[in-house]
Amino acid sequence: ETGVTQSPTHLIKTRGQQVTLRCSSQSGHNTVSWYQQALGQGPQFIFQYYREEENGRGNFPPRFSGLQFPNYSSELNVNALELDDSALYLCASSFPGGGETQYFGPGTRLLVL
Amino acid sequence: QKEVEQNSGPLSVPEGAIASLNCTYSDRGSQSFFWYRQYSGKSPELIMSIYSNGDKEDGRFTAQLNKASQYVSLLIRDSQPSDSATYLCAVKPNSGYALNFGKGTSLLVTP
Repeated sequence: ETGVTQSPTHLIKTRGQQVTLRCSSQSGHNTVSWYQQALGQGPQFIFQYYREEENGRGNFPPRFSGLQFPNYSSELNVNALELDDSALYLCASSFPGGGETQYFGPGTRLLVL
Repeated sequence: QKEVEQNSGPLSVPEGAIASLNCTYSDRGSQSFFWYRQYSGKSPELIMSIYSNGDKEDGRFTAQLNKASQYVSLLIRDSQPSDSATYLCAVKPNSGYALNFGKGTSLLVTP
C-alpha cells in the first residue's frame, strides 16, 4: 500500500510568482485535503476535494486554488505569492467510512523571498 | 471561530515517566478527535483517533475524551526519548470538512 506522496519537497519562489504543488493520495483514498502550516503553528485548512470537486474551503483568498484528477491526485496552485505564504504545505487523504481520519503526506516546504 | 487550545509547552518529563498532554475545544457539537505527532521538520503522523467518551488505549498511548467538559487528552506511558516531538490535537466539528488543529504541545523526554 502506497502512502500519501507530495512533490516537490522544497521550493523557493519570489514574491508575485505562481506555484503548483502536487499530491498523490493513499491507495483507496478518494478525498484530498490541503493544509498550510506556518512555523510554530498548527496546520490551517485550505480546502478539500472529493470526486474532483471542491468540497469545503477554509479562510484563504481565491489566489489559492486547486484541482483533483480522476485518479484522486490533486494540485494546489497559489498565484501572486506573498512573503507570508512561506510555510509547510500538507496534503492529507482520507476515504469514506474511514472515520474521517486524515493521513498526511511529507509536505512541501515553500519559501517566498 | 471554532478553536482548539493546547499548552505550547515545552513539557519536560524524565524517561520512563507518564506524559500527559491536554486539549480543549470550543465546538460542543464536535464528534471526531485525533492526536498527531510531528517531529521537527516532518509532517504530522496519526497516533490515535477517539469518538466516544472515555478512554481508548493503543500500546503505550491512551486517549481520553470528555465531551461534557470539551476536553481531550493523551497519556504516554513509559515515555522514551524518541517520543520527544510536538503533539497536535485535531478536532473535526459537527459541520464542515476541515480538521481544526491546536498549535501543538512540545514534549521533551529526558534520559
